[in-house]
Amino acid sequence: DSGVTQTPKHLITATGQRVTLRCSPRSGDLSVYWYQQSLDQGLQFLIQYYNGEERAKGNILERFSAQQFPDLHSELNLSSLELGDSALYFCASSVGGGSLTEAFFGQGTRLTVV
Amino acid sequence: QQQVKQSPQSLIVQKGGISIINCAYENTAFDYFPWYQQFPGKGPALLIAIRPDVSEKKEGRFTISFNKSAKQFSLHIMDSQPGDSATYFCAASKYGGATNKLIFGTGTLLAVQP
Repeated sequence: DSGVTQTPKHLITATGQRVTLRCSPRSGDLSVYWYQQSLDQGLQFLIQYYNGEERAKGNILERFSAQQFPDLHSELNLSSLELGDSALYFCASSVGGGSLTEAFFGQGTRLTVV
Repeated sequence: QQQVKQSPQSLIVQKGGISIINCAYENTAFDYFPWYQQFPGKGPALLIAIRPDVSEKKEGRFTISFNKSAKQFSLHIMDSQPGDSATYFCAASKYGGATNKLIFGTGTLLAVQP
């Protein structure tokens, strides 16, 4: 158990809908990362927050947004969902914001868009 | 320039054999190369990592070999065991940078046959 908690574990929704994925980082970790894992694209970095502020942005669609709250948990919001958004979404956390600290991954949320 | 290319896509090895997974990168700014192991239903977990100032790093049965001039690195699993059966991802990032966002390879599904 990495200590990173993601909810829900599974989510099935229809095209055009909006969903929210939640991540609770390890105790003491200030940084949260979101990754998307799909069969054709592999693991893709979406976005990073550090202590409530956006730190880095990757290939995140405009339909997607994220935030990190004062208690350091994070939410990834996905809207106007398309079939191609079906994927595993992972959250990871680390103590620091840079690469000197290891990032620990949660078990992921499997999103299925039908 | 942000890509990390990984091969093979899948690998079958007999118990006790050597598993070899290769990766190549393009961006010379990358200077931190971790390998992650992912079991079904779990998130990726850091296995071993290397920086370019050394050509090889060994931890138990796992060894990373690094060729800076060729911009290639590989994971060797000695005495492969059925418990090593998992998906392996190489990754790259900028060590000491402001972010630990990882650029992942596409993954290698390893099956170790008893």
